[in-house]
Amino acid sequence: QQQVKQSPQSLIVQKGGISIINCAYENTAFDYFPWYQQFPGKGPALLIAIRPDVSEKKEGRFTISFNKSAKQFSLHIMDSQPGDSATYFCAAGNFNKFYFGSGTKLNVKP
Amino acid sequence: GAVVSQHPSWVICKSGTSVKIECRSLDFQATTMFWYRQFPKQSLMLMATSNEGSKATYEQGVEKDKFLINHASLTLSTLTVTSAHPEDSSFYICSTFSGQGRNQPQHFGDGTRLSIL
Repeated sequence: QQQVKQSPQSLIVQKGGISIINCAYENTAFDYFPWYQQFPGKGPALLIAIRPDVSEKKEGRFTISFNKSAKQFSLHIMDSQPGDSATYFCAAGNFNKFYFGSGTKLNVKP
Repeated sequence: GAVVSQHPSWVICKSGTSVKIECRSLDFQATTMFWYRQFPKQSLMLMATSNEGSKATYEQGVEKDKFLINHASLTLSTLTVTSAHPEDSSFYICSTFSGQGRNQPQHFGDGTRLSIL
């Protein structure tokens, strides 16, 4: 059973636009939801994370929206830049054991 | 700067060879390290959890005799792919948490690309 489902698989956005990536999870016991950014040939790097007691968290151009009842959360990248082009993974879990989404390859066109 | 150092970054070897990958935590002690495998354009699949001073915990479907994990010190965990075959070719990534308690930041190494000819 796939614990975390992520969409879309790939995304093309114009510079300055908003990139939106969605994830859904199964296990209601999950209590930590991080997003990672991965560049080719590198390991993932933590971008932003949220706990289920809040519905939104913003850090700079990056915002997580969280819907506990729907078991969904999303990443919004405002004013997307070419340097944001990377693969993004959502994750969900607890007790430091996490399941990852399938990834979204973002391409921001100049 | 990096908090997890993984070595080597790229390995190419012949079928039947055993390959060792090292994962080191920098400037902190890691009692637990995680090993992931990532296929091209796919997600990270947790292979095993490495525990300092005790046996590793393997995920379902992962052959423990194939993927040997040793966590001999608080800063070093190793993954050895024994008698590697072309189907073992993949991107292997280690990670750990830099703090204690639940839901701490997870830090990943830069991965090891393993190519078996």
